[in-house]
Amino acid sequence: ETGVTQTPRHLVMGMTNKKSLKCEQHLGHNAMYWYKQSAKKPLELMFVYSLEERVENNSVPSRFSPECPNSSHLFLHLHTLQPEDSALYLCASSQETRRGYTFGSGTRLTVV
Amino acid sequence: DAKTTQPTSMDCAEGRAANLPCNHSTISGNEYVYWYRQIHSQGPQYIIHGLKNNETNEMASLIITEDRKSSTLILPHATLRDTAVYYCIVGGSGYALNFGKGTSLLVTP
Repeated sequence: ETGVTQTPRHLVMGMTNKKSLKCEQHLGHNAMYWYKQSAKKPLELMFVYSLEERVENNSVPSRFSPECPNSSHLFLHLHTLQPEDSALYLCASSQETRRGYTFGSGTRLTVV
Repeated sequence: DAKTTQPTSMDCAEGRAANLPCNHSTISGNEYVYWYRQIHSQGPQYIIHGLKNNETNEMASLIITEDRKSSTLILPHATLRDTAVYYCIVGGSGYALNFGKGTSLLVTP
């Protein structure tokens, strides 16, 4: 365990479903991130939260909706996804002044 | 953030030192050099970072040239478990690090 926990580890959902990915850290970090990694592609930054406020949104479609209720938890709400959204979704946290990221193990999402 | 250039792939024999190069010729004065690695289908793992001076920890050593335009990550005694994609990233005062394609290191018996 890295200190960043992601659930579920695997998720299969239909295109009309609504699901949520959860990320939790108890490292005392004040920034949290969502990344997407499609097959054989580099990690793509999706969202950045610092002190529970969204500070970066990299042109992500509205069918992905992040939520950061407190500094320890981060969610990614999913609705009406497409098959091309199938990927490994990674959460990370950092203490912004040091910027050393700690990643979770990811959620492997398959959209059918 | 400055961009980096890394070889696509490298091989290393088990027990030998693995030297992974990275070019970052457009790095600015306040930007750090970070190294992460990603073992297949897992989240990336932080290895080491530095600004100007060479750094060493229990995982690796980081050698940064005097002009800071390139760096080398050294794994002193590579093992099969070091087979992974290694990312060299340069980052400054912003919040997020942008990962490129990295170097795929294969450690062979």
